[in-house]
Amino acid sequence: GNSVTQMEGPVTLSEEAFLTINCTYTATGYPSLFWYVQYPGEGLQLLLKATKADDKGSNKGFEATYRKETTSFHLEKGSVQVSDSAVYFCALIPDNAGNNRKLIWGLGTSLAVNP
Amino acid sequence: DTGVSQDPRHKITKRGQNVTFRCDPISEHNRLYWYRQTLGQGPEFLTYFQNEAQLEKSRLLSDRFSAERPKGSFSTLEIQRTEQGDSAMYLCASSSRTSSNEQYFGPGTRLTVT
Repeated sequence: GNSVTQMEGPVTLSEEAFLTINCTYTATGYPSLFWYVQYPGEGLQLLLKATKADDKGSNKGFEATYRKETTSFHLEKGSVQVSDSAVYFCALIPDNAGNNRKLIWGLGTSLAVNP
Repeated sequence: DTGVSQDPRHKITKRGQNVTFRCDPISEHNRLYWYRQTLGQGPEFLTYFQNEAQLEKSRLLSDRFSAERPKGSFSTLEIQRTEQGDSAMYLCASSSRTSSNEQYFGPGTRLTVT
């Protein structure tokens, strides 16, 4: 079936630390991969995406590379800020060729960055 | 472009009552999705529309749930005879014909069933 597994939180870091949030997936087709972010009190926002193997999605200093051989899409940032404190969700659309673009989600990883 | 809007933002209802939520997608987005999110979980897919056609409905959606998108613009999600287990955040998202992989989410409607 289709599923997303991401590392459990909460993750607590000091400002300027390096961030990695692991995400692995299973998919019945050729998936597109996404990271969404949910800031406190706000709705889900698309952070970055990748639609084929070896693509790198990037936005706001965050990066993730679509690794088909390891079925992974780990989120990284070189230097986190307090304003990055949020819940991060890894998600996939199971099959690029299919008509339904429903998202399958991980459980979310809460990140707290301390000054 | 004002983004996806949802109304109401919060709803408290008593068990057994019916509730209806509304979602207004980004204008000209042809696809509209409903998800449900409970505390500490990722969102779960409920149903989706392409224009006015409801093309898939999750097995999670019991017969008490119904969704419509009558003119291919706004959508409503109705829950009949609410149960405490229906308490959740109900999320709506939309995507365009040209960027169908990018879903834009509304702020959600938080339902509390007492």
